[in-house]
Amino acid sequence: DADVTQTPRNRITKTGKRIMLECSQTKGHDRMYWYRQDPGLGLRLIYYSFDVKDINKGEISDGYSVSRQAQAKFSLSLESAIPNQTALYFCATSDSKREDEKLFFGSGTQLSVL
Amino acid sequence: AQSVTQLDSQVPVFEEAPVELRCNYSSSVSVYLFWYVQYPNQGLQLLLKYLSGSTLVESINGFEAEFNKSQTSFHLRKPSVHISDTAEYFCAVSGNTGFQKLVFGTGTRLLVSP
Repeated sequence: DADVTQTPRNRITKTGKRIMLECSQTKGHDRMYWYRQDPGLGLRLIYYSFDVKDINKGEISDGYSVSRQAQAKFSLSLESAIPNQTALYFCATSDSKREDEKLFFGSGTQLSVL
Repeated sequence: AQSVTQLDSQVPVFEEAPVELRCNYSSSVSVYLFWYVQYPNQGLQLLLKYLSGSTLVESINGFEAEFNKSQTSFHLRKPSVHISDTAEYFCAVSGNTGFQKLVFGTGTRLLVSP
C-alpha cells in the first residue's frame, strides 16, 4: 500500500463547482503539503501544515482552502472551481525530525475544470 | 528567498550515451540542494541530495551531481543512460536553517531512445 494516498486520481468538474481532494498518509509524518504542477511551471506550493493546528499559505493559496482533520489527513478544497485551476495536484509529507525535510509524494490527482 | 533555474525543458539522448541536466540556483543564505525524479504517472521521489560535506553526491542508480558554490550550480549527470531513465527531473533548493520551504525548478524531461 502507498504511504501517501491521494483520492481521487482523476476528476473532471465544471466551473463553479466545489471540489475536495483528499490526502492520507501512513508514514507518521507531522508535516503535510499541497502542490500543483503545471507544464513548464514545475511545482508550486499551495498550502502546508506543520501539525493539526498549524496551517500556512504557500505561494499560490488564492482560490484554495485546506483542512487538517488529523495528523494523517490533509484535504484541499476548491470552493468555486475555475478553468485555470486545471492542473496535477500533489500531496506530500515530511518529518520535521529529519535535517533535510525530505518530501514524500502521493501519486497525484489530475483535476480538469471545464 | 531562493530560486532555481533549469534551462533545458527537454533533453533527448540515445541509450548508453552520457547526459547532463543543468540546474542553477540563487540564494542569499546557505542551501540544501535536491534532485527529484518523476516517472510517468507517478509522484516525485528523491533521487539525491546535497546537505553538507562532499560536494559530489551519488544516487543508487548511477546518477551523480556536484555542488559548485562559486557557479551556484548543481548539475545532474549520468555516464550511460538507460531507457528506464526516461522521466522528468526536478532540481530543488531550500535554505539550511530552520524550516525552509522547498523551491522547485520547472523540470527537465529526459527522453531516452534506443
